Amino acid sequence: KAGVTQTPRYLIKTRGQQVTLSCSPISGHRSVSWYQQTPGQGLQFLFEYFSETQRNKGNFPGRFSGRQFSNSRSEMNVSTLELGDSALYLCASSTGLQNQPQHFGDGTRLSIL
Amino acid sequence: TQLLEQSPQFLSIQEGENLTVYCNSSSVFSSLQWYRQEPGEGPVLLVTVVTGGEVKKLKRLTFQFGDARKDSSLHITAAQPGDTGLYLCAGAPNAGNMLTFGGGTRLMVKP
Repeated sequence: KAGVTQTPRYLIKTRGQQVTLSCSPISGHRSVSWYQQTPGQGLQFLFEYFSETQRNKGNFPGRFSGRQFSNSRSEMNVSTLELGDSALYLCASSTGLQNQPQHFGDGTRLSIL
Repeated sequence: TQLLEQSPQFLSIQEGENLTVYCNSSSVFSSLQWYRQEPGEGPVLLVTVVTGGEVKKLKRLTFQFGDARKDSSLHITAAQPGDTGLYLCAGAPNAGNMLTFGGGTRLMVKP
């Protein structure tokens, strides 16, 4: 069974640009969640999509947005990039039912110059 | 806002020693998950505990969920160099799938 796939693995951008990250969940999983991991703040929840609808949202500014397609694949977009957006962005998929485990991809390492 | 405090932050031990990692909160969680993360990779799920007082064993790893579902511990017996990594606890709220993560415990087991 294929795991969660995130592309690209690495990205380098400059301040002010925008970026789109992609996540393909485990087959059959309908929930995709996004997390930001930094050395200072650890892992923080961005948002969750379930059946193409945003179901939960963390405390991040509106520059961070996402969407989910009918095949459950998800994209995350960050506009007007800031230096502080440099982080490992992780995607996790699950069935979407309560207390079901979340399975993570290997992340996209985003560096802002 | 639910917070999870994980301790210790760093742990460096010799092969064969035992260790315990703690995860504490003032909030009640519906379930708690433990992950291990290695450099350049995403977190890998080790276990999910759901019932207060639940104990789960995974070879040399023992996980416990507190009776009140506010805290959890991970005990490793006879640690091996292959256990080296970042251990993360993550709590799920009573409604929704957004995980609250602890700050992580970076474990190094020296041969």
